[in-house]
Amino acid sequence: EVQLVESGGGLVQPGGSLRLSCAASGFSFNSYVMTWVRQAPGKGLEWVSGISGSGGTAHYADSVKGRFTISRDKSKNTLYLQMNSLRAEDTAVYYCAKEGIWFGSASDIWGQGTMVTVSS
Amino acid sequence: ETVMTQSPATLSVSPGERATLSCRASQSVSSNLAWYQQKPGQAPRLLIYGASTRATGVPAKFSGSGSGTEFTLTISSLQSEDFAVYYCQQYNNWPPYTFGQGTKLEIK
Repeated sequence: EVQLVESGGGLVQPGGSLRLSCAASGFSFNSYVMTWVRQAPGKGLEWVSGISGSGGTAHYADSVKGRFTISRDKSKNTLYLQMNSLRAEDTAVYYCAKEGIWFGSASDIWGQGTMVTVSS
Repeated sequence: ETVMTQSPATLSVSPGERATLSCRASQSVSSNLAWYQQKPGQAPRLLIYGASTRATGVPAKFSGSGSGTEFTLTISSLQSEDFAVYYCQQYNNWPPYTFGQGTKLEIK
């Protein structure tokens, strides 16, 4: 079964850091672009970041550029999102999602999401 | 950045009827347009990609059309499980990929 399971969310103070993880199973993880998408409470979907299958290319939304870093560990079939200098507006459910082999594809598999709350 | 605009924000339709949702792009996205369904407390689910291709396991009652800047998602014979929020997403002009603000399909 193709599956993505996120973890690592929680409550963090403004200016703090958090690392999200997304464990993948049931498909050839190393072959696919992986992305993070977030959804603030009661709001719509916002693409955050994406990384190539090799891990050599990454893209970020302007709202997180310079603060968030996406990475992947091939040996663990796991995607990460390191979030630094967190702000209240980063509060959201964070979903990881599988894309196609290349950038520029729809996301066909999504995890259940992990909640990040930035508050003092 | 390509802005995606969905209309209407809320659509009220009776069970058994057909729903038509619209999505407009601020610039051409060719056919690189996807539709997602999201139910409360759940992750989005891919319904349509390439503007008109149904994802695996998606019933034929869901159909997509359009290209360039104007797109439509049509859902026929609405059932209770179809009432949800629907998002369009362009993946032609990136980064970033951009989503519409969503259309809430509710029971009339």
